[in-house]
Amino acid sequence: DAGVIQSPRHEVTEMGQEVTLRCKPISGHDYLFWYRQTMMRGLELLIYFNNNVPIDDSGMPEDRFSAKMPNASFSTLKIQPSEPRDSAVYFCASRQRRTGTGKVYVGKDTQYFGPGTRLTVL
Amino acid sequence: KNEVEQSPQNLTAQEGEFITINCSYSVGISALHWLQQHPGGGIVSLFMLSSGKKKHGRLIATINIQEKHSSLHITASHPRDSAVYICAVTPRGSQGNLIFGKGTKLSVKP
Repeated sequence: DAGVIQSPRHEVTEMGQEVTLRCKPISGHDYLFWYRQTMMRGLELLIYFNNNVPIDDSGMPEDRFSAKMPNASFSTLKIQPSEPRDSAVYFCASRQRRTGTGKVYVGKDTQYFGPGTRLTVL
Repeated sequence: KNEVEQSPQNLTAQEGEFITINCSYSVGISALHWLQQHPGGGIVSLFMLSSGKKKHGRLIATINIQEKHSSLHITASHPRDSAVYICAVTPRGSQGNLIFGKGTKLSVKP
């Protein structure tokens, strides 16, 4: 499996523009998480889905942020309009069903992270 | 106060040294995770613990549920171990979302 795929890897945009980040989870994983990483705040959960349904979006900063998961193999995180303070690395992660199996030293609750999208809003 | 605290924030070691990174948390948890983030930015899960101790190669992770404390040990450290190590917890009752510590930046000098 190719792992969690995110695109684009880098995005530079101007304030006020719409930004769309994309994620393809690992096939068979039924949980998908969006995280944001900044120097000041570290990693923070934005939103997560189970079976394509949003479960908890309390970490979404404000109405400018929205996330969708139209099917089991694709999710988007949209920022409209973007602001300089949105500059961060955005990670997507997926996790398999709790009844699945994992390696000896990691469990079935292990999250697998994508490479991240580095967003710069000028 | 952050729900997950790590110490130290930064750590410099000589190759071969034994390294310990600590993590304390203040919420009830169903699991604790240790993650590794390399300079390139990618994040990899190292361990998931709910009790006791786990070992993989030169890495050992322990957890004390009563004291709400976990440690990550690296034996015979090597420059390739240089990375940011992040402690994260799955709050009890959640469906697997993570609360993260701020990370410990480890640099191992040859």
